[in-house]
Order: sequence, then structure tokens, then C-alpha cells
Amino acid sequence: GEDVEQSLFLSVREGDSSVINCTYTDSSSTYLYWYKQEPGAGLQLLTYIFSNMDMKQDQRLTVLLNKKDKHLSLRIADTQTGDSAIYFCAGPGAGSYQLTFGKGTKLSVIP
Amino acid sequence: EAGVAQSPRYKIIEKRQSVAFWCNPISGHATLYWYQQILGQGPKLLIQFQNNGVVDDSQLPKDRFSAERLKGVDSTLKIQPAKLEDSAVYLCASSLAGLAGAGDEQFFGPGTRLTVL
Repeated sequence: GEDVEQSLFLSVREGDSSVINCTYTDSSSTYLYWYKQEPGAGLQLLTYIFSNMDMKQDQRLTVLLNKKDKHLSLRIADTQTGDSAIYFCAGPGAGSYQLTFGKGTKLSVIP
Repeated sequence: EAGVAQSPRYKIIEKRQSVAFWCNPISGHATLYWYQQILGQGPKLLIQFQNNGVVDDSQLPKDRFSAERLKGVDSTLKIQPAKLEDSAVYLCASSLAGLAGAGDEQFFGPGTRLTVL
């Protein structure tokens, strides 16, 4: 099954760019996802990328996928205090009908 | 569109007691998931239903955990008896088709935070 690794913490200043990194093990992963979790809330899908793409941009969010290195990153441009949250990378698990989540990266935005 | 509803939001029990959580998925979603999220970890899938049938419960501790989805809509997750290590947030999610590998989005409820003393 899939194994997903992320760094645990990231701190940036308001207005700077944030880059959250993730590595995965299953080379057959078709879709890779980024979820956001705010305190006391469930997870919210931010964006996803299909494995035949290298990059996907959606407003302030840019997802980069390096299939050779099995590396996924999420860049948030012009980071705001409202972006403070935990960000989870996820890939399909066994049978491609499940999600395997990383431990999450806690993003702290300093005003 | 109403989201995934869960209740209660918080529950505190003593070890060896029983507890039940309720989930109402988004209308029309065939697939329902229960996840356990221990503090500092990502969500771990406990059980996945497709309509009212179980697709995968391989990570459900069946000696103490049980779940049902009668009539293919609402679902209940029960723990009996609870242990200290069951302290976690229990998240319910739903999706249209249950195909994460095909880009099927999972929608999450707010979760139930369980504390076992």
C-alpha cells in the first residue's frame, strides 16, 4: 500500500510563499491530493493532481509533481494568516479506492 | 448543499465504557468512510461502506469497534469497551462513488473528539 511522508512544521511570514513537501511510495498512484484542516474542523479538499500532469495551478495554489522522485509539493503564494492550518498530502491506498494520508504539515503564518 | 453531519462533537468517557458516534453523509453519496485521527497523525481509515455493504474493514479493531450503515444512508460507529488509546477524533466522510484512485472527492464532517479517561 501507499506510504506518505511530510515534514511536520512550517513557519512563514504573511505575504511570503509557503512550500509544503510530500513524498509517496506507490508509483501507480493516479491522483494525489492536498487537504486542509483548520482547528476543530474536518478536512477540506484544496486541490488534486492527476499523475500525467507535472503542474497544476489554481489561484494562489500551485501543485508540482515529480513522478521520478515520487515528490509532491504545494506552493501557496502570498500566504495569509487565514492559511494557518494543517495540510495533508494523500494518495490512493490499497485497491485505489482508499486514501492514505501523511501525518500533516502544520503551517503557521506570522503577521 | 448540506455537508456531512456528525454528532456528538465531543465526548468524554471512562475506560471500559461504551460510546457511539453518528454520521449523516451528503445526500446521494453512496460511499461512507469512518476515519480515526490520533493527535499529531493523519486520518486512518477504519471502515468503508458502499451503500449498506462493507467494502473494507481491515483496520477496524473488531473486538471492540463495530459500525453499521442501515438503509445505506446514516451510519453509527460504536466502541465497546473503550480503551485509553481510543482517544482520538473520529471523522466521517462521504463520496459519490468511492474511487479515490479516479479523483472521487471525499467530503469530511467536523469529527467527534473522544477523550477516554
